[in-house]
Amino acid sequence: DAKTTQPTSMDCAEGRAANLPCNHSTISGNEYVYWYRQIHSQGPQYIIHGLKNNETNEMASLIITEDRKSSTLILPHATLRDTAVYYCIVRVAIAGGTSYGKLTFGQGTILTVHP
Amino acid sequence: EPEVTQTPSHQVTQMGQEVILRCVPISNHLYFYWYRQILGQKVEFLVSFYNNEISEKSEIFDDQFSVERPDGSNFTLKIRSTKLEDSAMYFCASRALQGSTEAFFGQGTRLTVV
Repeated sequence: DAKTTQPTSMDCAEGRAANLPCNHSTISGNEYVYWYRQIHSQGPQYIIHGLKNNETNEMASLIITEDRKSSTLILPHATLRDTAVYYCIVRVAIAGGTSYGKLTFGQGTILTVHP
Repeated sequence: EPEVTQTPSHQVTQMGQEVILRCVPISNHLYFYWYRQILGQKVEFLVSFYNNEISEKSEIFDDQFSVERPDGSNFTLKIRSTKLEDSAMYFCASRALQGSTEAFFGQGTRLTVV
């Protein structure tokens, strides 16, 4: 699976949009971009994923550049409860072969939302 | 909303003792995983399980570790002879199908080896 690079930490004011960048310059054509977050020591929580089109769900939006070498997770109106470590992970789309869907976590971005 | 359930939430055990961590994955899921997170470190993959057998495991998952799906609902991780360095949060996860579907994680079991 391709490696990702994220900033170590970011701050955001409550109510503002949080834009979390991720670089994945070695991503392959069959790899998706996944975002998970971990609040304190809880289990990682799925946020969103995409292949090449921008995606939106009730939690966030995912913007993937045309060359797919980077992406941005957008939390449109951050709240204090969004304070967490955010992980950007790239993973092959199809389980099997050498990867049965395992997720390889990096250090992630510590997002702190302040009042 | 369906969720992955792990028990116990916290387990304290003496070094050298066997411990079994239990997980109930989401009912229609087919892929099961164990991850661990040592305090202050990254979440690390341990093992994936599909069709009643291990499909992939990491270097961490040595002979001291085993997994089992003893019935249609539970998925267990056994550590035969615990070491101090096994102290960590252990997360179970499950996933529905092949493809790009997401994995759902449990809230974890905090294992403390003393």
